[in-house]
Amino acid sequence: GNSVTQMEGPVTLSEEAFLTINCTYTATGYPSLFWYVQYPGEGLQLLLKATKADDKGSNKGFEATYRKETTSFHLEKGSVQVSDSAVYFCALISGSARQLTFGSGTQLTVLP
Amino acid sequence: GAGVSQSPSNKVTEKGKDVELRCDPISGHTALYWYRQSLGQGLEFLIYFQGNSAPDKSGLPSDRFSAERTGGSVSTLTIQRTQQEDSAVYLCASSSSGTSAVAGELFFGEGSRLTVL
Repeated sequence: GNSVTQMEGPVTLSEEAFLTINCTYTATGYPSLFWYVQYPGEGLQLLLKATKADDKGSNKGFEATYRKETTSFHLEKGSVQVSDSAVYFCALISGSARQLTFGSGTQLTVLP
Repeated sequence: GAGVSQSPSNKVTEKGKDVELRCDPISGHTALYWYRQSLGQGLEFLIYFQGNSAPDKSGLPSDRFSAERTGGSVSTLTIQRTQQEDSAVYLCASSSSGTSAVAGELFFGEGSRLTVL
């Protein structure tokens, strides 16, 4: 079956620090990979995605590269801001599945 | 409305009572999903509706859980004889396409927080 394993949080960083949140997956076939973000008091929203190996998804300064050889999709940002404080979820969809499989989420807090 | 709307936002109930949670998806979205988010855990898939097709109920944890979607729009998730382990945030999401493996872009509501005492 499909599964997603995320780096456990919480993660606390100072403003302008470098961020990495690790995500690895197990999937049947060739999955599409996603990062969703949940800001305080809001619903989850799509941050970025990649649909095939070696694709790089990017948005709002965040990037993630689809690595088939290591089955990973790590989220990175070079300089975080206080406004990036949120919960980040890695997810995939694969094969005939019609629903996303999510990781457990990583709470990020950025301090000024 | 502009986004996915869920109600109630908070529900406190006593063990053994039935509860209904409502989801109003984005207009025109044919796919609708229910997920459950428990403390410290990821999002657990519950059920998926796509147009007029039979729903995918494979994620429902027990027969106390059921959901319906009337007229291809509003959905109601019903939990009968609630238990304390049902306490969680129930999330609804909709999508304009549920049949493509690359679709993946779901639009989520803010969730309904259920607390069973």
